[in-house]
Amino acid sequence: DAKTTQPNSMESNEEEPVHLPCNHSTISGTDYIHWYRQLPSQGPEYVIHGLTSNVNNRMASLAIAEDRKSSTLILHRATLRDAAVYYCILRAPGGSQGNLIFGKGTKLSVKP
Amino acid sequence: NAGVTQTPKFQVLKTGQSMTLQCAQDMNHNSMYWYRQDPGMGLRLIYYSASEGTTDKGEVPNGYNVSRLNKREFSLRLESAAPSQTSVYFCASSEWTSGSYEQYFGPGTRLTVT
Repeated sequence: DAKTTQPNSMESNEEEPVHLPCNHSTISGTDYIHWYRQLPSQGPEYVIHGLTSNVNNRMASLAIAEDRKSSTLILHRATLRDAAVYYCILRAPGGSQGNLIFGKGTKLSVKP
Repeated sequence: NAGVTQTPKFQVLKTGQSMTLQCAQDMNHNSMYWYRQDPGMGLRLIYYSASEGTTDKGEVPNGYNVSRLNKREFSLRLESAAPSQTSVYFCASSEWTSGSYEQYFGPGTRLTVT
């Protein structure tokens, strides 16, 4: 699986947008970009995924660079509940495996 | 739907003791996984089961065994616990849909081995 690089930590103010970057310069043409987050003392939860086009869902938006070597998770209005570790993960499609390879992620702090 | 459930939530073992961590999912997923998470680290895959009747090693399988009892249940066994196995253990399940193996995680089991 290709490697991802994320900042160790970021800070945000409540009700402001947050842009969480992820670099994946060795991504292959078929790798999907997944984002998960882990709230304190909880298991990870799925946030969003995409392949080439930008994606939106109720939790966040995913902006993917045209060359796919980087992506950005966008939280449109951060709340205190969004304070978590955010993981950017690449996965190849298909096959019998679905295991995710987690790095250390970005720890997001949200200030009131 | 309860999603993914794990028992127990907490456990303290002495070195050399054995125990089984239980995991069950009610989403009819084919694939199930066991991860461990050490303090300040990301999750690491121990074992996974792509479908009922199959299991495969992940990144850190030494010291563990697994059983895929049926489609719903996937257990993790520590035969002889060691302090290095002190960790939080997460079970997950998934199904391949829309280009994503969206995984659903349980709440975790916090294991301390003294």
